[in-house]
Amino acid sequence: GAGVSQTPSNKVTEKGKYVELRCDPISGHTALYWYRQSLGQGPEFLIYFQGTGAADDSGLPNDRFFAVRPEGSVSTLKIQRTERGDSAVYLCASRGLAGDNEQFFGPGTRLTVL
Amino acid sequence: GDSVTQMEGPVTLSEEAFLTINCTYTATGYPSLFWYVQYPGEGLQLLLKATKADDKGSNKGFEATYRKETTSFHLEKGSVQVSDSAVYFCALSDNDYKLSFGAGTTVTVRA
Repeated sequence: GAGVSQTPSNKVTEKGKYVELRCDPISGHTALYWYRQSLGQGPEFLIYFQGTGAADDSGLPNDRFFAVRPEGSVSTLKIQRTERGDSAVYLCASRGLAGDNEQFFGPGTRLTVL
Repeated sequence: GDSVTQMEGPVTLSEEAFLTINCTYTATGYPSLFWYVQYPGEGLQLLLKATKADDKGSNKGFEATYRKETTSFHLEKGSVQVSDSAVYFCALSDNDYKLSFGAGTTVTVRA
């Protein structure tokens, strides 16, 4: 009964570098979400996948951010040309059956951009 | 757009004290409402939820009632324990199921 897992748990990078953050949802969950939590704030929605397609990417802050879910399971959040303002905890959540709107969250990846 | 406003912390209480964390929301439709909790060193966990007006969500001694007339979903617990020390987030979900969170309230319970 594994929950949502995220790797790495911590990532330190330099300004301008490219990073990839991975999310493994609960097996069988069709919906997958990415959120960003800045220090002292609540999580903010980034993108929502239903299956392989991005159903709502309205929360992505700019075109440096991109996410994929090619096989409808694992998802990768990609950030190009990182900036210090991208430093935050990136949370992934998954949801199962339609009509049951509980999202299960992973432990997050703490990204620090120096 | 949808938004959630919750009581600012931090909140410090003694064991067995009564806890209330206020939460109000703004939404265009009829959202579902949630309280999530983040214990130290752990990920976000759903504490309770309510999906329609006048519903009461409850779990682990915590309760919250969906009040449409006041657009509120205040969290209460009658007698807190040290183990309730955590950050509490109020959230809502519209038909797209994405969650909009409040800023969180840090609660510390002293023995």
